[in-house]
Amino acid sequence: DGGITQSPKYLFRKEGQNVTLSCEQNLNHDAMYWYRQDPGQGLRLIYYSQIVNDFQKGDIAEGYSVSREKKESFPLTVTSAQKNPTAFYLCASSIEGRGYTFGSGTRLTVV
Amino acid sequence: QKEVEQDPGPLSVPEGAIVSLNCTYSNSAFQYFMWYRQYSRKGPELLMYTYSSGNKEDGRFTAQVDKSSKYISLFIRDSQPSDSATYLCAMSTLGNQFYFGTGTSLTVIP
Repeated sequence: DGGITQSPKYLFRKEGQNVTLSCEQNLNHDAMYWYRQDPGQGLRLIYYSQIVNDFQKGDIAEGYSVSREKKESFPLTVTSAQKNPTAFYLCASSIEGRGYTFGSGTRLTVV
Repeated sequence: QKEVEQDPGPLSVPEGAIVSLNCTYSNSAFQYFMWYRQYSRKGPELLMYTYSSGNKEDGRFTAQVDKSSKYISLFIRDSQPSDSATYLCAMSTLGNQFYFGTGTSLTVIP
């Protein structure tokens, strides 16, 4: 079955540590997205990529970085510069006219 | 002003009731509209996808778009306890980058 796989499901980060969240899709979608979800704030766009080797900052990109070396993969790194990283992170992909398909999310907690 | 406004609820209804969920928006260029359902600690799943104005029906779900009022609705008929979730609206100008509402939490009581 086609879909988006996010891993890990739960992730714990120590202060000052960089962590990478994985997102892989086999839907052959060109566009991929990373959102952050916090209670009461809805989904906020971190980064998006509409084609391999190209990506753009979203509304809250500070403290995050991404790469898009393959069409299927769009990993997100949460750097130590992100001061409040505890949140639910959602990866999505899309093809024009069809809306988003989301992964099952990664819950990141700072310990 | 946010691009998309959605009442967070919570909304609580008895089983079998008709549920109405709504979003308003400010950007008149929006022409693609989506509704997602999200269960706790899961990723959102697409319920309805509509283009421009009008109604779209899928089983117990009906999506309505009124572009003149910048207002969209999702109606759920014969609501079931399994419909208890958070419902997110989303909209876009070109069908690629979507703006999301904050979500409405719905509980259907057996």
